[in-house]
Amino acid sequence: ETGVTQTPRHLVMGMTNKKSLKCEQHLGHNAMYWYKQSAKKPLELMFVYNFKEQTENNSVPSRFSPECPNSSHLFLHLHTLQPEDSALYLCASSRDGNTIYFGEGSWLTVV
Amino acid sequence: RKEVEQDPGPFNVPEGATVAFNCTYSNSASQSFFWYRQDCRKEPKLLMSVYSSGNEDGRFTAQLNRASQYISLLIRDSKLSDSATYLCAVSHGSSNTGKLIFGQGTTLQVKP
Repeated sequence: ETGVTQTPRHLVMGMTNKKSLKCEQHLGHNAMYWYKQSAKKPLELMFVYNFKEQTENNSVPSRFSPECPNSSHLFLHLHTLQPEDSALYLCASSRDGNTIYFGEGSWLTVV
Repeated sequence: RKEVEQDPGPFNVPEGATVAFNCTYSNSASQSFFWYRQDCRKEPKLLMSVYSSGNEDGRFTAQLNRASQYISLLIRDSKLSDSATYLCAVSHGSSNTGKLIFGQGTTLQVKP
């Protein structure tokens, strides 16, 4: 079982669609992250939020828009994605930037 | 040069074997080091943190060599259930922001 839950677990969307990924952490952590994992590539850090303030945007295209309303919830809004954006999107959280814990991930396919 | 590099493998070993993975990192200011395990189509799960003095957890031993900028993971008496991809993660610089940079992972297959 994980203290970080992500929904949906699987998502198929067209290039003109708008969808959102949701993440919730039940660990009392203050930092939340979005990572992207594509086939045959290392995990790529996308965004970091600390106490709901964005502290890192790792040159992510604007078609990915994060939202962090509070320290427990994190969203990734998706619009006009490309097929190459198909990947596993992992949310994670940590306390004070120490060990990070991942959610189960959202498998995204862009068609 | 990649910030964090691992030999992708795969490492194919028989049950009971001892296997070691290395991971090199480029940022000498990095302070925190971890090994994660990732099963096929699952999320990475923390296996162990890596401390300067080295640390052991059952069959698993992690070591850090700051001078040569690498960390290692040793698995003794391999089990079939150890088959997975092992990711090393290194903090980005000295600040404790939780920004972890991951290697691409080393795949281990333990055979009967």
